[in-house]
Amino acid sequence: GQNIDQPTEMTATEGAIVQINCTYQTSGFNGLFWYQQHAGEAPTFLSYNVLDGLEEKGRFSSFLSRSKGYSYLLLKELQMKDSASYLCAVVEGNYQLIWGAGTKLIIKP
Amino acid sequence: ETGVTQTPRHLVMGMTNKKSLKCEQHLGHNAMYWYKQSAKKPLELMFVYSLEERVENNSVPSRFSPECPNSSHLFLHLHTLQPEDSALYLCASSQVGAASGANVLTFGAGSRLTVL
Repeated sequence: GQNIDQPTEMTATEGAIVQINCTYQTSGFNGLFWYQQHAGEAPTFLSYNVLDGLEEKGRFSSFLSRSKGYSYLLLKELQMKDSASYLCAVVEGNYQLIWGAGTKLIIKP
Repeated sequence: ETGVTQTPRHLVMGMTNKKSLKCEQHLGHNAMYWYKQSAKKPLELMFVYSLEERVENNSVPSRFSPECPNSSHLFLHLHTLQPEDSALYLCASSQVGAASGANVLTFGAGSRLTVL
């Protein structure tokens, strides 16, 4: 079957580093997205990986291993504004995205 | 107005009411989507309109009816809903066939629906 797994909730300290994992089992794979969603707001695009390896964008990096069905989002120098839900989604076809349930990240001072 | 705007932001309705959710995108995209977001559950794709074609999730009940009069506007008509339909309804748009290859969705802030 199709499945995306990510932790329900994580807690980290301001200024630290946190890694949010996402494992997937899907019938097809055309790329993997990470989105950020603050409470009561729209999800916003963070990253897209289609090839294996690490993509870095400022304080955020995303890694993909297609052979292992695994991705992670790495957040460095955490700020209070990074408190949000982080959604992992695998692209199966033209329109079909398989979404994880999201990881709620809580940042403490 | 920029991006994707949804109205109303909040809606409370009885099971016998008929209401509509509206979405408008100002990005020149060629595809629009309706998603349902329930607490602690994955986003559920309900309907897609892309390049004049409609694609739908066959598990969506007929009490939800989409309408896409043009590439910038999308509606979700609601009638005889059930309490379990209470959720956040997100509209999104994207540019299918973009040079980057990634079909990046731009979401609206959502319409929070409560069915009594």
